[in-house]
Amino acid sequence: GQSLEQPSEVTAVEGAIVQINCTYQTSGFYGLSWYQQHDGGAPTFLSYNALDGLEETGRFSSFLSRSDSYGYLLLQELQMKDSASYFCAVAQTGANNLFFGTGTRLTVIP
Amino acid sequence: DTAVSQTPKYLVTQMGNDKSIKCEQNLGHDTMYWYKQDSKKFLKIMFSYNNKELIINETVPNRFSPKSPDKAHLNLHINSLELGDSAVYFCASSQVAPTSATGELFFGEGSRLTVL
Repeated sequence: GQSLEQPSEVTAVEGAIVQINCTYQTSGFYGLSWYQQHDGGAPTFLSYNALDGLEETGRFSSFLSRSDSYGYLLLQELQMKDSASYFCAVAQTGANNLFFGTGTRLTVIP
Repeated sequence: DTAVSQTPKYLVTQMGNDKSIKCEQNLGHDTMYWYKQDSKKFLKIMFSYNNKELIINETVPNRFSPKSPDKAHLNLHINSLELGDSAVYFCASSQVAPTSATGELFFGEGSRLTVL
């Protein structure tokens, strides 16, 4: 089976930097994705790491360490609109779906 | 144009009824999915279709039956609805299969089902 662990809630101040961690256990690990979901909305894709290291996309970066079964999403210059739930999801070799974590609710305060 | 569209967006019904949710994608993707998101926001895969063929059928009651008339459509029919079926159901599609190649799914806006 698979399991992913993320903090359930994080609060951060507007303009600050926040890191959301994800540890996983799975067989046939292939990659780690991150999704954002606003209340009442659809999950939207943010990033994907298949190799170790940091991927940067604008204010968002994602990191993966395969040897540690660990990844994180880094959000910089936080804005109020970043308040949402963030999910990590694992992709398994040859599998045709993603297995999602339970999500981290990020609240950005003024 | 909406990439992945689902109807209806909201569905309120009585226990024991049968209901369907429709999904269409105009992205030209070969693979489509149904995910269920419960009240704790856990997203769980239910079904996956690749080019109209069922690939994944997770442990869901057989009251749930997906149908894919063509690769752009994946509908979900639910028989004999139960209180525990109340959730948000998301349709999604992906450009490549397996999904592990890019890790990217395109989700519809969701269909909130409430069973009374």
